[in-house]
Amino acid sequence: AQSVTQLGSHVSVSEGALVLLRCNYSSSVPPYLFWYVQYPNQGLQLLLKYTTGATLVKGINGFEAEFKKSETSFHLTKPSAHMSDAAEYFCAVSEAWTNAGKSTFGDGTTLTVKP
Amino acid sequence: SAVISQKPSRDICQRGTSLTIQCQVDSQVTMMFWYRQQPGQSLTLIATANQGSEATYESGFVIDKFPISRPNLTFSTLTVSNMSPEDSSIYLCSVGKTGGNTEAFFGQGTRLTVV
Repeated sequence: AQSVTQLGSHVSVSEGALVLLRCNYSSSVPPYLFWYVQYPNQGLQLLLKYTTGATLVKGINGFEAEFKKSETSFHLTKPSAHMSDAAEYFCAVSEAWTNAGKSTFGDGTTLTVKP
Repeated sequence: SAVISQKPSRDICQRGTSLTIQCQVDSQVTMMFWYRQQPGQSLTLIATANQGSEATYESGFVIDKFPISRPNLTFSTLTVSNMSPEDSSIYLCSVGKTGGNTEAFFGQGTRLTVV
């Protein structure tokens, strides 16, 4: 069984400040890990993913995340927040070597960016 | 990549009726997945739609309530039957693509309101 915990349902930062969204996972098998963003009234867009290889992964819009197996974490960061980053962010896990379309999602974190 | 089209994008339905949601993918995929996103909540997997066999349902979801069809490798439908206001949600279709199905793609979702 797999699970995802996103710490903090709401995160608020000032424009230009560091963004840190936390995600911890539980998986009995090697995981694939994902971060998705959802803008109001829109579908999900993949920000980045970890499957194998380099543990620091870079995604779109300046986001990156680091897979830390020892800490079972996959936190999402961005050095400088932009107003357009305000959205809902979901961390998700799926079993490695299975279909990434079948994932377990965290509860989501709403990111607010203050001017 | 994969482009997924869902229809309808939104609907308002009377309780007790049924709604069929369509999901069309621009390429052949082995498995398609249906998710539900209740208001203010995360995504929950309803079922996996397999071509040529019955769908596989997750715990808490049953075929009588959410019948699924998968007539070919690019198309699937999800029906929400005998609807009640509790079924008001966004329903999303997803597929896994790229080598090893290491990336998931989502449709824009169907926003269902039951009155």
